[in-house]
Parts: sequence; structure tokens; C-alpha cells
Amino acid sequence: KAGVTQTPRYLIKTRGQQVTLSCSPISGHRSVSWYQQTPGQGLQFLFEYFSETQRNKGNFPGRFSGRQFSNSRSEMNVSTLELGDSALYLCASRYRQGRQPQHFGDGTRLSIL
Amino acid sequence: DAKTTQPTSMDCAEGRAANLPCNHSTISGNEYVYWYRQIHSQGPQYIIHGLKNNETNEMASLIITEDRKSSTLILPHATLRDTAVYYCIVRNLPGSSNTGKLIFGQGTTLQVKP
Repeated sequence: KAGVTQTPRYLIKTRGQQVTLSCSPISGHRSVSWYQQTPGQGLQFLFEYFSETQRNKGNFPGRFSGRQFSNSRSEMNVSTLELGDSALYLCASRYRQGRQPQHFGDGTRLSIL
Repeated sequence: DAKTTQPTSMDCAEGRAANLPCNHSTISGNEYVYWYRQIHSQGPQYIIHGLKNNETNEMASLIITEDRKSSTLILPHATLRDTAVYYCIVRNLPGSSNTGKLIFGQGTTLQVKP
């Protein structure tokens, strides 16, 4: 079956703008998590959504937000972009319960000019 | 979640077994060991996970020591396509209150050479 799909794959923005990234989970997966990956900080957890509710949140400023729709698709938004927000943003999905692991998409590469 | 320690880098000859170690000396009884890998320009790929018994799937084998303080991921016949960063992660027993948060360390960069 199809994997986690993230769109767009690449995005270029300028400082001060905002951006919305999209994630379609694997069919049947109801939990979606977002991660930021940078060369300096590695992979860091942003937040997790299940049943349209944020269940867990990482240590990121309020400029980073997300939401989940009734079909489990998720979006994350970053407002007032800063140069340091340049990163690979990864989405992962999983079943809510059980031992099944998270499966990742290939990410959105965001570059801030 | 328990902290893990992995070597920064390793080399392996193509066709040979790659053995990637991971130390998780502070692991608690309800924490699983998960392995992921990330090939350049792709998202992390799930490989295998286990609690205390050795596990094997089509990709790899996972050997967990009896005291659970360390584990080894084994790729039985490494190919050039196995060149990647390998992450060892420990997290709580999955359940209704289980969080999806994974804590990634720096991982081990495995270079498979011809």
C-alpha cells in the first residue's frame, strides 16, 4: 500500500513569510507526528496528532503549529519564518495503539532566503 | 526514554555482515528497542524492533543482550544500498497512552564499500 506522502517536496520562502506543509498518512493510520531535521540539531520531534487533537508537543516556539483533519491527513504551519527554520520537515504515521512502528515520508525540504 | 550510544561511523565490505552496536544501559523494563535507517535525501525507514527476545525479519536481525543494556543490528549481507545513517531508539511499551515521540540520537553512519 502507499506510504506516507508529503507535499511539496521542496519549498523556498523568505524571512517573515509563513508556510503550510501537508502530510497524507498511510491508509488506516490515525496518528501523525512531525519532525524537524537540521544538520546541527538532528531529528527533533515537533508534535503528534491523533483524532484531530494534538497529543504531544516538542520544544518548539508557538510559530510552529499543526492540525489534523477527520481523514487523518495533517498539515503543519510555520509563521514568521526565520533563517533557522531551514530544514527537512518529516511526517510519520502509525496506528494509535499496538507495537506497530512509525513510518516516515521523505519530507519537505524548506529553504529560507 | 532511555538514552542510546552508538559509534559515529563504521565501514563494511559489500557482501559481508554488518554488525551495528547500540548501548542503552539505562533502559527500563517496558522500553522497546527500535532501529531505523536514513538513506541520503530520504525519510527514516523502519527496520526492526524488539523487547528482549532476538528478532529477525526480511531486512535484518536484532540481538538484545540478556540484561537488555545493549543490542546489535545485523545486516547479514550488506550491499552498497545499505549505506545510510542507522538510528537506535528506545521507547516505552506501546499502549493506549503511548506517545508517538521518537528521540533520535546522532546514529551510526554505515559505509558499505565494494
